[in-house]
Amino acid sequence: DAKTTQPPSMDCAEGRAANLPCNHSTISGNEYVYWYRQIHSQGPQYIIHGLKNNETNEMASLIITEDRKSSTLILPHATLRDTAVYYCIVLYNFNKFYFGSGTKLNVKP
Amino acid sequence: EPEVTQTPSHQVTQMGQEVILRCVPISNHLYFYWYRQILGQKVEFLVSFYNNEISEKSEIFDDQFSVERPDGSNFTLKIRSTKLEDSAMYFCASSDTQGTYEQYFGPGTRLTVT
Repeated sequence: DAKTTQPPSMDCAEGRAANLPCNHSTISGNEYVYWYRQIHSQGPQYIIHGLKNNETNEMASLIITEDRKSSTLILPHATLRDTAVYYCIVLYNFNKFYFGSGTKLNVKP
Repeated sequence: EPEVTQTPSHQVTQMGQEVILRCVPISNHLYFYWYRQILGQKVEFLVSFYNNEISEKSEIFDDQFSVERPDGSNFTLKIRSTKLEDSAMYFCASSDTQGTYEQYFGPGTRLTVT
């Protein structure tokens, strides 16, 4: 079953930073945190992943707390095209991902 | 940028018929996966495949389902006798064997069973 907890929905104004939280209090020491998003019914899109350190790429930043029990995905300047369902996934095992219900991010003009 | 492709984009079939969904994973990836998403529901893991055999499968992946890598580029999901409840989006994914196993997903095939 899911090892993560996310709010079901969030709103964000266009151009502002979107901060999406995720709790993963039972994460093990060697388990990575992955973030994906799904726009409409398209295939899930990889965003970013991390283990302990904060990570940044061209799409987003990932902030992981020191105890690794929670993380935050940051979209620095949200656009309307960022409206999607965002999934926080703890790698259950390297053979599969478990997708929970995710957070529906609504970016509003 | 390399990507996973899937064909067809939409398949309509009658109940009881066999369907084969096709995927071309990213060329240097060696782990392959199938997921499905029933309309309005979560993305569900079906099966993972490595080194020409199934690595793991979910309880959904029963005897009606099979996977195959018939050649060096394609990865297929076969449903032997489709049921109405098999109607869903089916996503193929692939990942590298090195590093941290992030999976890259295809655009999906919408299967409609009538």
